[in-house]
Amino acid sequence: DVKVTQSSRYLVKRTGEKVFLECVQDMDHENMFWYRQDPGLGLRLIYFSYDVKMKEKGDIPEGYSVSREKKERFSLILESASTNQTSMYLCASRPTDRFGPYNEQFFGPGTRLTVL
Amino acid sequence: GQQLNQSPQSMFIQEGEDVSMNCTSSSIFNTWLWYKQDPGEGPVLLIALYKAGELTSNGRLTAQFGITRKDSFLNISASIPSDVGIYFCAGLPRYGTYKYIFGTGTRLKVLA
Repeated sequence: DVKVTQSSRYLVKRTGEKVFLECVQDMDHENMFWYRQDPGLGLRLIYFSYDVKMKEKGDIPEGYSVSREKKERFSLILESASTNQTSMYLCASRPTDRFGPYNEQFFGPGTRLTVL
Repeated sequence: GQQLNQSPQSMFIQEGEDVSMNCTSSSIFNTWLWYKQDPGEGPVLLIALYKAGELTSNGRLTAQFGITRKDSFLNISASIPSDVGIYFCAGLPRYGTYKYIFGTGTRLKVLA
């Protein structure tokens, strides 16, 4: 079974703090994603990475950065947390589709971040 | 960002009833995924579809890739209380694209 794990299920941080959210997948997937999920807004893509050290901005990258130093690990960084970044953060991974149409995307359990 | 139209938005059903929901788009997709999400948890992949017309089952769940490639359907037969949750679809517009487009979700509530 594919496993995507996230370092914390719940986090409470203060405004201005630097926050690190870590994600690890064990299926050697090339692609990894960070989303945030808010009521009424659905899933919104923050950043994704298609290879080690490679990253692309998603739909809402402002206020976030990412790091992918190893294939299995993708980190989301909030340089200076703000209250409007209170949300559910979801990491996902999937293989590249160059070997066929197999594009299952698997999510981690999520991190509920509260910024006070 | 873009979202897929998913209906119904929510539904209450009696235990034992069958459930149907669908996802539609104005553009063509090459892959459809269906997920279930419990409160406070990450989405869990239920079914993946890769070909127009494809019908795939996973236990009491059956999903279909619409023949026009612009829609997909999920059916749950003989619903049970643990089917409660939010179901949402995701579509991949074309191979080589990284970004899935997600549906707005169907909230299912099962009355025992």
